[in-house]
Amino acid sequence: GAVVSQHPSRVICKSGTSVKIECRSLDFQATTMFWYRQFPKQSLMLMATSNEGSKATYEQGVEKDKFLINHASLTLSTLTVTSAHPEDSSFYICSARDPNTEAFFGQGTRLTVV
Amino acid sequence: AQSVTQLGSHVSVSEGALVLLRCNYSSSVPPYLFWYVQYPNQGLQLLLKYTSAATLVKGINGFEAEFKKSETSFHLTKPSAHMSDAAEYFCAVRGNQGGKLIFGQGTELSVKP
Repeated sequence: GAVVSQHPSRVICKSGTSVKIECRSLDFQATTMFWYRQFPKQSLMLMATSNEGSKATYEQGVEKDKFLINHASLTLSTLTVTSAHPEDSSFYICSARDPNTEAFFGQGTRLTVV
Repeated sequence: AQSVTQLGSHVSVSEGALVLLRCNYSSSVPPYLFWYVQYPNQGLQLLLKYTSAATLVKGINGFEAEFKKSETSFHLTKPSAHMSDAAEYFCAVRGNQGGKLIFGQGTELSVKP
């Protein structure tokens, strides 16, 4: 199957700093990428949908100014958590698809804000 | 609106026993349905998908699922559990807006020796 690479897999940052997470589709062009957040022992919560070259569509309740999403190319989307706080600590997962495939998922990023 | 309900947040079976993980869906249009597996601190791996072709879908690692429209179900089965099957399993339906996936709550599968 297609490969989606997410980086970093783990990151620890101080409160008030920003963290960038990258999601790359390695062997296909991802017209759409999705960003999810997952709390322990819970399901995936969709944060936003991004289409290449256009602004991301955020789900209700997700702060767009806090979770900045950029999808500048067909193989790369980034999620930046701005001014991170301990409550932003979570597992973030991206997925990518083109119109003809199902979504493939990255390995996830464990963010810990101290 | 579309939704997915997984019955049972935790299922425990003995090694070699049948695995049955339940999933019911709600959809106003013919659904695309998926089962994913997640190991600790990892992303999701696709086990199998239903896309309106054969109702019995075979996936990886010996898993299969049967689409039953009359029961609005898409239960996941495996004849004989292995220790390596212990993981979190998610059923999902593809929404008709932008192709986003709508996930069930997840079922944690434990396999006892």
